[in-house]
Amino acid sequence: QVQLQQWGAGLVKPSETVSLTCTVQGGSFSGYQWTWIRQPPGKGLEWIGEINHSGGTNFNPSLKSRVQMSMDSSQTQFSLNLTSVTAADTAIYYCARANFDSWRHHYYGLEIWGPGTTVIVS
Amino acid sequence: DIVLTQSPGTLSLSPGERATLSCRASQSFSSSYLAWYQQKPGQPPRLLIHGASTRATGIPDRFSGSAYGRDFTLTISRLEPEDFAMYYCQQYGSSHRTFGQGTKVEVK
Repeated sequence: QVQLQQWGAGLVKPSETVSLTCTVQGGSFSGYQWTWIRQPPGKGLEWIGEINHSGGTNFNPSLKSRVQMSMDSSQTQFSLNLTSVTAADTAIYYCARANFDSWRHHYYGLEIWGPGTTVIVS
Repeated sequence: DIVLTQSPGTLSLSPGERATLSCRASQSFSSSYLAWYQQKPGQPPRLLIHGASTRATGIPDRFSGSAYGRDFTLTISRLEPEDFAMYYCQQYGSSHRTFGQGTKVEVK
C-alpha cells in the first residue's frame, strides 16, 4: 500500500524559506505527478504545483516566482521550497500523488495524500 | 486559468436525504479531467470521483458524478452520518490545476 510521509519545519520567520519533503513508501515513483497543495486555516485548497518523475515542473502562476520543486527518484522523495514567505503563506501543506494518463486523456485524480504539515509564518 | 465555482456554499440536509452539489467551470475542458474530493476536519482530502463520473476505489455507490458542458454535479443519493463534510471539485484541464472553493454539507 502506497503511503506518503512528509516533514519540514513548522515555524518559519517572515522573508525566510519554507522547506518540505515528502517520501513515497511502498510504490513506484515513475509515471505520476508529485503534487503540493496547501490549505490556509479555515479556507479551501490551493494547488501549488507538481513535478514528474523526469523532473518536469508546473507551478501555480501566482506562486511561480517563489516556488522551487525537486525530486530524488533514488530516494523516492520530492521537495518543496517556498521562498520569501509572509503570514499569508501560513497553511497546512499537503503532498499528494496525481495520476494522469496522457495516452487515454484521463485524469485519475489526486489518489494518495500525505497527512499534511502545518506551517506557521511568524 | 479555469475558475471552478461551487454551489451552494453550504447544504443543510438530514441523514437519508439526497445531496446535489454543483461545480461550474469558467471555460470548457474535457470531463475526463474533473475530480471530486471529500474532506473531514483534521484530515487530508479523499478522492471520490475521477473523470467526472467514475468512483475511486472503495467509494460507496451512493456517490455519483455527472457532467453536462461546463457543469459538473456530485450527487449523494442517501446521506449517511459520515458523509457530512466539505466537498471540492478540481480540474486538470489547464496547466494551472485549480480547485473549487468547496461546498459544506452539514446536518440540518
